[in-house]
Amino acid sequence: ETGVTQTPRHLVMGMTNKKSLKCEQHLGHNAMYWYKQSAKKPLELMFVYSLEERVENNSVPSRFSPECPNSSHLFLHLHTLQPEDSALYLCASSPAAVDGGKLFFGSGTQLSVL
Amino acid sequence: GENVEQHPSTLSVQEGDSAVIKCTYSDSASNYFPWYKQELGKGPQLIIDIRSNVGEKKDQRIAVTLNKTAKHFSLHITETQPEDSAVYFCAASRGTGGFKTIFGAGTRLFVKA
Repeated sequence: ETGVTQTPRHLVMGMTNKKSLKCEQHLGHNAMYWYKQSAKKPLELMFVYSLEERVENNSVPSRFSPECPNSSHLFLHLHTLQPEDSALYLCASSPAAVDGGKLFFGSGTQLSVL
Repeated sequence: GENVEQHPSTLSVQEGDSAVIKCTYSDSASNYFPWYKQELGKGPQLIIDIRSNVGEKKDQRIAVTLNKTAKHFSLHITETQPEDSAVYFCAASRGTGGFKTIFGAGTRLFVKA
């Protein structure tokens, strides 16, 4: 157990659906992240939250909408996705965003968009 | 933009042999270099890291070396075991003062029994 829990583990959705990914960390960290992992590509940083404030948005399409209601929870709301959005979505946390080197990852949500 | 190159993409070794994975980075301001191991069905897990004021660090069977002048760093696994089979990612970040971690594309290591 890494202390970062993601649900669901697997998700299949159509292009017109709306779904949400959930992440919860039990480590007392102040920063949380969403990463996208596609086959044979480096991890792509999507969003960073520090103390519930979004501090980074890496040119992510608006069909991905993050939400951080408190420092322990992070959501990724999905709507009108495309098949190329199919990937493993990883949540991570770190003690603080200014020391983002040590990342603690969840097991990810494997997303398939049909 | 800044990037991290990682080689090889796939590595197959016999149990008991050593494995070496190499990375180069472009951002000269990088000062923190973690290595992550990702097993099937799990997220990446930090296995060892090194800061720029150190040239080498060892933890049991794994070691990392850093050459800041050449912007190279490497992971060395000795006496490999089947449970070392996984995908390994190198990364570089500015650590304190910056939160962007740039990852390599990963190396899939197979350890044959």
